[in-house]
Amino acid sequence: AIQLTQSPSSLSASVGDRVTITCRASQGISSALAWYQQKPGKVPKLLIYDASSLESGVPSRFSGSGSGTDFTLTISSLQPEDFATYYCQQFNSYPAITFGQGTRLEIK
Amino acid sequence: QVQLQESGPGLVKPSETLSLICTVSGGSISSYHWSWIRQPPGKGLEWIGYIYYSGNTNYNPSLKSRVTTSVDTSKNQFSLKLSSVTAADTAVYYCARVRGRIAVAWGQGTLVTVSS
Repeated sequence: AIQLTQSPSSLSASVGDRVTITCRASQGISSALAWYQQKPGKVPKLLIYDASSLESGVPSRFSGSGSGTDFTLTISSLQPEDFATYYCQQFNSYPAITFGQGTRLEIK
Repeated sequence: QVQLQESGPGLVKPSETLSLICTVSGGSISSYHWSWIRQPPGKGLEWIGYIYYSGNTNYNPSLKSRVTTSVDTSKNQFSLKLSSVTAADTAVYYCARVRGRIAVAWGQGTLVTVSS
């Protein structure tokens, strides 16, 4: 199965900061990558699909980039509601879909 | 807007079969594709399987030997059965509507604990 490794595993940042989270695939997955946000006790929410397409209704401060094995999720200016855990998901090797281990974004 | 709600026993004994139902409201189950995803307490997400509205299925190879899913269009529901469960199957189980291969709408999730 394709493994996804997110870095960092946890991150402390302040409101207004620019934040980047990385997701590395163990083999090439083209652009078959999505990003989700999950707040404590809540359901995951789709942010980005196909590596760089913003899901409808998601604020434009979120952006995704990358292809092949290296991907990034960037939040251009952190807002209080952005503190959450973020997961990447690859679907290139369907049905062996896999997720990264998560990146916990905390308030500094 | 399509809404999903999981239901089923919250406690299952080891070696038994976990059974869950997802009820879809606000839309026809025949209009979309569906999935089951789980999350052990405090851990990450694991994709279980994919259910086409036609009833065709595809499962994560790591769980394929133990998973069965089905669709009941008359009740606007789809189901999950996971056999021979162990403590490692303790998780919050989510049903989701998928677009392509991504989950675009999720149920609230239901915690299933495997314990004697």
